[in-house]
Amino acid sequence: QIQLVQSGPELKKPGESVKISCKASGYTFTDYAMHWVKQAPGKGLKWMGWINTYTGKPTYADDFKGRFVFSLEASASTANLQISNLKNEDTATYFCARRMYTTDYSDYFDYWGQGVMVTVSS
Amino acid sequence: DIQMTQSPASLSASLGETVSIECLASEDIYSNLAWYQQKPGKSPQLLIYYASSLQDGVPSRFSGSESGTQYSLEINSLQPEDEGDYFCQQSYKFPLTFGSGTKLEIK
Repeated sequence: QIQLVQSGPELKKPGESVKISCKASGYTFTDYAMHWVKQAPGKGLKWMGWINTYTGKPTYADDFKGRFVFSLEASASTANLQISNLKNEDTATYFCARRMYTTDYSDYFDYWGQGVMVTVSS
Repeated sequence: DIQMTQSPASLSASLGETVSIECLASEDIYSNLAWYQQKPGKSPQLLIYYASSLQDGVPSRFSGSESGTQYSLEINSLQPEDEGDYFCQQSYKFPLTFGSGTKLEIK
């Protein structure tokens, strides 16, 4: 069955870095784009961007340019999110989400990781 | 950016009732809209895409419709497991944007 399994919770100090992984199984990893979504505590969903799992090309939403990096370990069917110079406002749950197959490449998400809670606190 | 104005922020309804949740897009998104359900501590689950297409495995009591830039999610015959948060998401243009969410409580 299709699964996206993310790494465990993280507790970091401001200024540190964190790397979150999202391991896919049950399908051909490079056939489906992977998106990243942020959810601050008690808040809604915010789209961070996506990575083309075939070419490795990332695209970032404006609010996530600079300190955020999407990467792949395609041989391990894994997508990664790295956040550097962490700030208190980065405290959130981060989800990876697979773009479902549609003939026009519409960005709907049919499978999600379980989410990774990142807490930034001094 | 396309703003998705979602209402109501919360609602409470009884078992068996029908409820409706709305999302108003700030510009035409040409039916490029999805609805997700999220339960506490869990990841979102896709319910509806292309405004009215039911995702595989989702009960038929969920339905989506549109009128201009207004999109609606209707849940018929409410069940206890329908309690949770609901979000709309436009997929017409980057950046993808979500509505602010609706918290549904089953009385």
